[in-house]
Parts: sequence; C-alpha cells; structure tokens
Amino acid sequence: SQQGEEDPQALSIQEGENATMNCSYKTSINNLQWYRQNSGRGLVHLILIRSNEREKHSGRLRVTLDTSKKSSSLLITASRAADTASYFCATSTQEYGNKLVFGAGTILRVKS
Amino acid sequence: NAGVMQNPRHLVRRRGQEARLRCSPMKGHSHVYWYRQLPEEGLKFMVYLQKENIIDESGMPKERFSAEFPKEGPSILRIQQVVRGDSAAYFCASSSPRGGGTDTQYFGPGTRLTVL
Repeated sequence: SQQGEEDPQALSIQEGENATMNCSYKTSINNLQWYRQNSGRGLVHLILIRSNEREKHSGRLRVTLDTSKKSSSLLITASRAADTASYFCATSTQEYGNKLVFGAGTILRVKS
Repeated sequence: NAGVMQNPRHLVRRRGQEARLRCSPMKGHSHVYWYRQLPEEGLKFMVYLQKENIIDESGMPKERFSAEFPKEGPSILRIQQVVRGDSAAYFCASSSPRGGGTDTQYFGPGTRLTVL
C-alpha cells in the first residue's frame, strides 16, 4: 500500500493567498521530506522534518508533523506565481530502510 | 559545489536497444538512489547503492534492469532490451553517509527516456 498520500490532488489559488497541502502515511517514519517539482524538471528539496519534530519553518514554508495522526502539512504563505508546481511528500521509514516512498503529489497552480 | 549530475538529460532508444543512464552524486556523498517516475505519477524507488555495493534493489524489475556504483566513476543504471513501457523519467538522488543514509536526498535533473 502507498506510504505517502497527498491531498488535495490539485489546488488553484490566487497570488498572495496561502496554500496548504496535506500528506498522510501508514507506518512509523524516520523523517518526512517535502519536494517541489516544476513541470518536466527535477525535484527540489524543500524541508526535512524528523519524527521527533513537530514543526519547521523555512522562509514562506511551514511544515507540521503529527505522528499520532500519521500526517504532515505543508503551508506556503503569500503564494507567488513562481510557486506553481507539483509538491510531493516522501517518507523514510524503518520498514523500508533508506529509500523514500513518495505520494502522488499535489499540483498547485497560483494565478496572478 | 555541484549538485547531483545526470546524463544524458534526454535519451531516445528503439525497442530492443540498451539504455545507459549515468549519475554523479554530490561531492562527499556515497549513497546513491535511483527512482522512476511515470507520467502524472509520483516517484517509485528502484535501487539504493553505496560504493561497490547494492544495498536495496527491492524496486528493480527482475529482468533487464541492473545498477552499479563502482569505486571510481558515476553510478550507472542499465536497461537492456528496452520496451515502450520503460519510457519514463529516471531520477538519481544522493545523500551523505553522515546520517546513515537517512538524511536529505538531493535529486538530479533526471534522464527522460523515450522508447520508440
């Protein structure tokens, strides 16, 4: 079964608004990472949050982790058109070793 | 400090040919991972290697696919006798051995394989 699942599948917002994407997973994790992928390009690492952390910030990004609910959220504040991309969560678990298990992603479109 | 490098960026092969994809990890990284991304999907793990060792190949198809990470030179993902279903983007990632491999994985730009 899929470890990471994002919702929503697609999100369309106006520039300046906040965007929230959620990720759920099924087993205990070592860490959870969020990546961004522009169309047809490679993945850019955004944030890594470890299982003993609850919240991390990086610029306009805020990631939370709730291990009791096995879920994480990525908040992008004051969105810009350049934030338009697909966003993936990926988990690293004891069960799966060092490999990352990715969800299907959330497609974010920021309209200017 | 150069990031993860992959070449070629685009590769076109006819059915039955061989495809060789190369990955040079970030400087100081000795852990390499290969992932495959089909259109409109997330990435799927294929194989995890350290220098001269395959650590986890649970995501590799049983036939036609092989990977290596020699002592010197880049990691190579080889696909023999390619079929149309092999058309995908293949991404390489690397991480530092400092965290036992559980630290951030940094991705290359990918190789987009098209099988005609």
